Amino acid sequence: GEDVEQSLFLSVREGDSSVINCTYTDSSSTYLYWYKQEPGAGLQLLTYIFSNMDMKQDQRLTVLLNKKDKHLSLRIADTQTGDSAIYFCAEKRRGGGNKLTFGTGTQLKVEL
Amino acid sequence: GAVVSQHPSWVICKSGTSVKIECRSLDFQATTMFWYRQFPKQSLMLMATSNEGSKATYEQGVEKDKFLINHASLTLSTLTVTSAHPEDSSFYICSASTLAGGPPNLNTGELFFGEGSRLTVL
Repeated sequence: GEDVEQSLFLSVREGDSSVINCTYTDSSSTYLYWYKQEPGAGLQLLTYIFSNMDMKQDQRLTVLLNKKDKHLSLRIADTQTGDSAIYFCAEKRRGGGNKLTFGTGTQLKVEL
Repeated sequence: GAVVSQHPSWVICKSGTSVKIECRSLDFQATTMFWYRQFPKQSLMLMATSNEGSKATYEQGVEKDKFLINHASLTLSTLTVTSAHPEDSSFYICSASTLAGGPPNLNTGELFFGEGSRLTVL
């Protein structure tokens, strides 16, 4: 996970937008993913983006990819208390088969 | 669809015993399963990749004799922690993907994760 970095913690108020950032180092990434993990649970795939795209929107979620800077972000609009969880970005690298390299994870806390 | 189930969800065992964790794909055939280990407040560490009918491929630093992985069928992979010690206590998560068309789609690398199994070794 040391090749994929995220901020450890983010706190936002309910109704605000959350932006979770991720930086990676490998330029051979083919797909990049965002997963959500609630306490004591497995990972839930939220969305993914192909590396030749720069934006993808899916309801409240917007993914931005800056391939030049190797920067990925996840924006959650109208953040709700149910969005409180740990968010992991992950990358799939060319030649790496189906192995995913996960980021360090960002804990999102949504306050009333 | 695309449900992956792990069992048990939580196990406590004595040091020196072996523990088996099962990972099942409930509604699809999983040609590839991955086993991860997650320490508290840390990311997932890939332990091994398991392909149905063949030996697992272990990541560097993971002891294959310590963590036995079997993927005998297209819907079941097992991880056995042999002679467990307190330092083996962790959250173990499996994920699965398939070569068949439709989700989960191997080409996108979309993986479906189990709920995780928490192992506590006393």
